[in-house]
Amino acid sequence: GAGVSQTPSNKVTEKGKYVELRCDPISGHTALYWYRQSLGQGPEFLIYFQGTGAADDSGLPNDRFFAVRPEGSVSTLKIQRTERGDSAVYLCASSFIPQETQYFGPGTRLLVL
Amino acid sequence: AQSVTQLDSQVPVFEEAPVELRCNYSSSVSVYLFWYVQYPNQGLQLLLKYLSGSTLVKGINGFEAEFNKSQTSFHLRKPSVHISDTAEYFCAVSEGSGNTPLVFGKGTRLSVIA
Repeated sequence: GAGVSQTPSNKVTEKGKYVELRCDPISGHTALYWYRQSLGQGPEFLIYFQGTGAADDSGLPNDRFFAVRPEGSVSTLKIQRTERGDSAVYLCASSFIPQETQYFGPGTRLLVL
Repeated sequence: AQSVTQLDSQVPVFEEAPVELRCNYSSSVSVYLFWYVQYPNQGLQLLLKYLSGSTLVKGINGFEAEFNKSQTSFHLRKPSVHISDTAEYFCAVSEGSGNTPLVFGKGTRLSVIA
């Protein structure tokens, strides 16, 4: 079946702009995770949804970052007033239930100029 | 809080030679352990996982890992590597309840030389 998909695959924006990154999880997966992977680093946790609600948003770096999952399926990560330091690959993962294996999407490569 | 240390940032190895990628973790609670592989310009793919039971875990592509609780390690091994194994490998840990996100190491770049 279809895996986790993320759009766009690449996004170039200017400092100060607003961006939205989309994640489409595997159908039926109730848990959805966002991670950020900077160059030469492992993925770092941002936020986790169980259904429609954010179960843990402790990884969001500041209030410029926000994520939603209004219908318990697709999720959007929103970044306001982007900064050059936000440049990274943003990864989305989903699992059937939180205790199960997380399956990752290909990521969105964000470049802030 | 958990943390993961991957002791080698890069590991070059000749084709058909054995390889071990090292991973140590720290946690005050029981843990689940994972190895993921990331091929160039692709997403993370699960190689294997340890949740409970046998400490020797076998995964895809001929990889295996052994959970050693006393040494807090979860090293990844393959007896004979192929060129196609060239990739970035990440070790990750989550709390044993499973209700927590993954904490990743910084990764080990495996380069297989013909």
